[in-house]
Amino acid sequence: DAGVTQSPTHLIKTRGQHVTLRCSPISGHKSVSWYQQVLGQGPQFIFQYYEKEERGRGNFPDRFSARQFPNYSSELNVNALLLGDSALYLCASSPHPGQGLGTQYFGPGTRLLVL
Amino acid sequence: AQKITQTQPGMFVQEKEAVTLDCTYDTSDQSYGLFWYKQPSSGEMIFLIYQGSYDEQNATEGRYSLNFQKARKSANLVISASQLGDSAMYFCAMREGNTGGFKTIFGAGTRLFVKA
Repeated sequence: DAGVTQSPTHLIKTRGQHVTLRCSPISGHKSVSWYQQVLGQGPQFIFQYYEKEERGRGNFPDRFSARQFPNYSSELNVNALLLGDSALYLCASSPHPGQGLGTQYFGPGTRLLVL
Repeated sequence: AQKITQTQPGMFVQEKEAVTLDCTYDTSDQSYGLFWYKQPSSGEMIFLIYQGSYDEQNATEGRYSLNFQKARKSANLVISASQLGDSAMYFCAMREGNTGGFKTIFGAGTRLFVKA
């Protein structure tokens, strides 16, 4: 079975632009989470979606938004990009968002560079 | 506020020896999950092991075991018989919440170097 897939793998944008990152979960997984990992740090939680509804939100500005589609794939959108948004963006899927059933499996990530 | 602390920025271990990576956490929830992930230089995040807060026995997965001490709020990862391929960043993470919302936080990570 295919793992979590993310696209694109790499992206270069300039300040002020908008970016959309995409994620397809493991088949059968209904929950998707997004994380931002700045170089040298641990991942920071951005959003969790389950059954197309937002179930968790981290401490990120409103420039960050996401949605989940009926096929459980997800998009992360970032508006008005700042230099500090340069990071590895990780998507993780799990069958169910709750602990015990909530083991997450990560995709390879999208490396975003904002110039 | 929930928090994960990994106090070892870097660790060295001799090949074939065991190593313990420390993790302490802070939460006011009774129900939570603890995870360890490995991140090689390629950047992928590899799930290693999971421990639920109500699990009475320590989790084990092959060469990985989680030393869960609930009263001390610690969840240390033990890697037995280290291999050169174990050299990577290791992250401890905690998930808490309920059906109304979930949040997962990660520690700063420990970089493990396995020496031949």
